[in-house]
Amino acid sequence: GAGVSQSPSNKVTEKGKDVELRCDPISGHTALYWYRQSLGQGLEFLIYFQGNSAPDKSGLPSDRFSAERTGGSVSTLTIQRTQQEDSAVYLCASSPDRGQTDTQYFGPGTRLTVL
Amino acid sequence: AQSVTQLGSHVSVSEGALVLLRCNYSSSVPPYLFWYVQYPNQGLQLLLKYTSAATLVKGINGFEAEFKKSETSFHLTKPSAHMSDAAEYFCAVRYSSASKIIFGSGTRLSIRP
Repeated sequence: GAGVSQSPSNKVTEKGKDVELRCDPISGHTALYWYRQSLGQGLEFLIYFQGNSAPDKSGLPSDRFSAERTGGSVSTLTIQRTQQEDSAVYLCASSPDRGQTDTQYFGPGTRLTVL
Repeated sequence: AQSVTQLGSHVSVSEGALVLLRCNYSSSVPPYLFWYVQYPNQGLQLLLKYTSAATLVKGINGFEAEFKKSETSFHLTKPSAHMSDAAEYFCAVRYSSASKIIFGSGTRLSIRP
């Protein structure tokens, strides 16, 4: 079956521009997560959705970052006025949300480069 | 603060040698524990997870991990390394069903011929 998909796979933008990153989770998965992976770093948690609501958005680094999820499915991560330090791979994951030991299924990521 | 620590950002072993990747968590309440693997140019995939059913957990590709509450550890091992095991390995913890999953900083495993 189809896995988690993300688009675009690569995005190059100029400093100060806004970008939108999209995540299509596995059908039926109620939980959705966004992470950021910078070069040589681990995964930095950004935000967690349960359905369309976000019980935990504590990882969003600044008010330039926002995310939404509609219809309990697709999610969009928006970065406004991008900065060079925003350059990273942005990963999305989804899970059935059946409990604490849920397995997260990751997408291939979007590589964002801010010039 | 709840966290997970992976000792050693880079581990190099010879093919056929024992693989040991270390993971320690910080909590008096045992969390739910996971190991994920990221092969070059691929997405992360689950290697194994601790579900409290057994302290020794077996995963894919011959890997296993043992949960030791007294040491707050969940180290990943494999008796004999293969070249194909070269990848980045991430330990992760979750403290409740409503909480985020916290990932360690990762350990890059290299295999020497």
